Amino acid sequence: KAGVTQTPRYLIKTRGQQVTLSCSPISGHRSVSWYQQTPGQGLQFLFEYFSETQRNKGNFPGRFSGRQFSNSRSEMNVSTLELGDSALYLCASSLVGSASTDTQYFGPGTRLTVL
Amino acid sequence: GNSVTQMEGPVTLSEEAFLTINCTYTATGYPSLFWYVQYPGEGLQLLLKATKADDKGSNKGFEATYRKETTSFHLEKGSVQVSDSAVYFCALSPSGFGNEKLTFGTGTRLTIIP
Repeated sequence: KAGVTQTPRYLIKTRGQQVTLSCSPISGHRSVSWYQQTPGQGLQFLFEYFSETQRNKGNFPGRFSGRQFSNSRSEMNVSTLELGDSALYLCASSLVGSASTDTQYFGPGTRLTVL
Repeated sequence: GNSVTQMEGPVTLSEEAFLTINCTYTATGYPSLFWYVQYPGEGLQLLLKATKADDKGSNKGFEATYRKETTSFHLEKGSVQVSDSAVYFCALSPSGFGNEKLTFGTGTRLTIIP
């Protein structure tokens, strides 16, 4: 069974631009979560989608948004990029997410660099 | 709010040494607790988890016991190998949630020398 895939793996953008990252969950998984990883702040939860609906949200500004499609694939968008948005963005999927017996599987991440 | 505190790294050990990485948490109710591992250039992998007090999670020789009285979930391994070199993250999922909204510690970089 294929794992969680994220595209692209690397991105370089300039301040003020916007970017879209993509995540394909493991087949059959309906919950997709996004995390930002930076050296200063560590791993921080962005949001989680289930059945095309945002179910949970972290403490990030409105410039960070996402969506989920009917096939459970998810995209994350960051508008008006700032230097501080440079990070590794990780996507994770699980069957339903809300069960303590569920397991979350992470993708390799997209490394975003903002110049 | 919820938080996870891990021992500061980096940690360097010789092969076959005993490993302990401390993790304590702050949360209301009964969170689920996790250890994730990140190898160079890769995403996170679930190493083990525990969903209720006194549960012991174990995998690949690693163990951690959910101690509610001390709000701790320390990671241990009796004999480490070079292949265990990685960054280890302790995490919690709030009470009432599954694992879709994790709060992570800052990570502990472990290096094992032959």
